[in-house]
Amino acid sequence: KAGVTQTPRYLIKTRGQQVTLSCSPISGHRSVSWYQQTPGQGLQFLFEYFSETQRNKGNFPGRFSGRQFSNSRSEMNVSTLELGDSALYLCASSLRGQGGNEKLFFGSGTQLSVL
Amino acid sequence: GENVEQHPSTLSVQEGDSAVIKCTYSDSASNYFPWYKQELGKRPQLIIDIRSNVGEKKDQRIAVTLNKTAKHFSLHITETQPEDSAVYFCAASNTLAGGTSYGKLTFGQGTILTVHP
Repeated sequence: KAGVTQTPRYLIKTRGQQVTLSCSPISGHRSVSWYQQTPGQGLQFLFEYFSETQRNKGNFPGRFSGRQFSNSRSEMNVSTLELGDSALYLCASSLRGQGGNEKLFFGSGTQLSVL
Repeated sequence: GENVEQHPSTLSVQEGDSAVIKCTYSDSASNYFPWYKQELGKRPQLIIDIRSNVGEKKDQRIAVTLNKTAKHFSLHITETQPEDSAVYFCAASNTLAGGTSYGKLTFGQGTILTVHP
């Protein structure tokens, strides 16, 4: 089985722009979660989608949004980019997203740099 | 919400030595504790996990122990090898929290493990 695939691998944007990141989960997995990884804050949960519905959300501003399509692929959008949004954005998938009943598998991430 | 503290932040050992990384969590309701290994420029990979109804779990050279009373859990790596060099993250989750637990893990800050040949 192919793993979790994220595109693009690298992105460079300027402040004020918006960006869309893409994630394709492992085949058969219906839950997709997004995490932000920075040296200072570590891995922080952004949100989780299941069957095209956001079921859980972390403590991030409304500039961070996402969606999930009927094939379970997910996109994450960040509007009005700020310098502090520079980070590695990781996507993770699992069968149903039910915590310890299933394991989370991560993609390689999209490295976003905001200049 | 849950808070996970991880120590040490860096750990340097000689090949063949053992390495121990410790984590404490704040939410006594947390019941699932995975460990992830992230090599430079690569994805975090699950290496072992433990549930709160188990005190210890072992997989070859890797073991995890859990002390629910003290709210801490540890990763033990024996006979370390240079390829064990990576950043290790502990995490915690309350899988019975319903909607607030879906897809969510609370991570520690990570430990950079360096194994010298």
